[in-house]
Amino acid sequence: AQTVTQSQPEMSVQEAETVTLSCTYDTSESDYYLFWYKQPPSRQMILVIRQEAYKQQNATENRFSVNFQKAAKSFSLKISDSQLGDAAMYFCAYRRRGNTPLVFGKGTRLSVIA
Amino acid sequence: ETGVTQSPTHLIKTRGQQVTLRCSSQSGHNTVSWYQQALGQGPQFIFQYYREEENGRGNFPPRFSGLQFPNYSSELNVNALELDDSALYLCASSLGVAGGPQETQYFGPGTRLLVL
Repeated sequence: AQTVTQSQPEMSVQEAETVTLSCTYDTSESDYYLFWYKQPPSRQMILVIRQEAYKQQNATENRFSVNFQKAAKSFSLKISDSQLGDAAMYFCAYRRRGNTPLVFGKGTRLSVIA
Repeated sequence: ETGVTQSPTHLIKTRGQQVTLRCSSQSGHNTVSWYQQALGQGPQFIFQYYREEENGRGNFPPRFSGLQFPNYSSELNVNALELDDSALYLCASSLGVAGGPQETQYFGPGTRLLVL
């Protein structure tokens, strides 16, 4: 079974600084997708960024970028120029190819200090 | 906003009762997935519906059941509620293509269920 591990229960960052959230996963599949979702106190799960495993280039979305290391099964999220609105729970998730469900990690709570 | 809506937003039930949660998928999406998120945990997959048929189920007992309607909205039913069923229930919609890749799942705001 696939598993997703987020080893940092809590992280904090100063406003305008950069922070990296870690995620590792375990799978025997070669074709899959990885995601970072943000869940603010409002509870809505919001997609931050996604990465297709067959793509070597790391995904970027504005201030958010990932470091995808397929051989190491590592998928970290870098947030640059952190803003107060970035404070939330961040979940790393995996999905193998096909109409399949997401497998989530336990999350990392990110605090942004003004 | 993702276009996925859920109702109700909050619900309080007592042990042994039954509950129905509802989800309206984003326009054009034909797949709805349901997740249970206990406090302080990541979401856990309950089941998924694709074009009105259940096509995947997580490790949840049969008292968790669901439906998907022709307009692709969905219901989650839980019978014989237990205290441990207290959680945030999330639904996510996506465009699934038979035999092909599924698009990203977009989540609704969730229903907070408290079982006393």
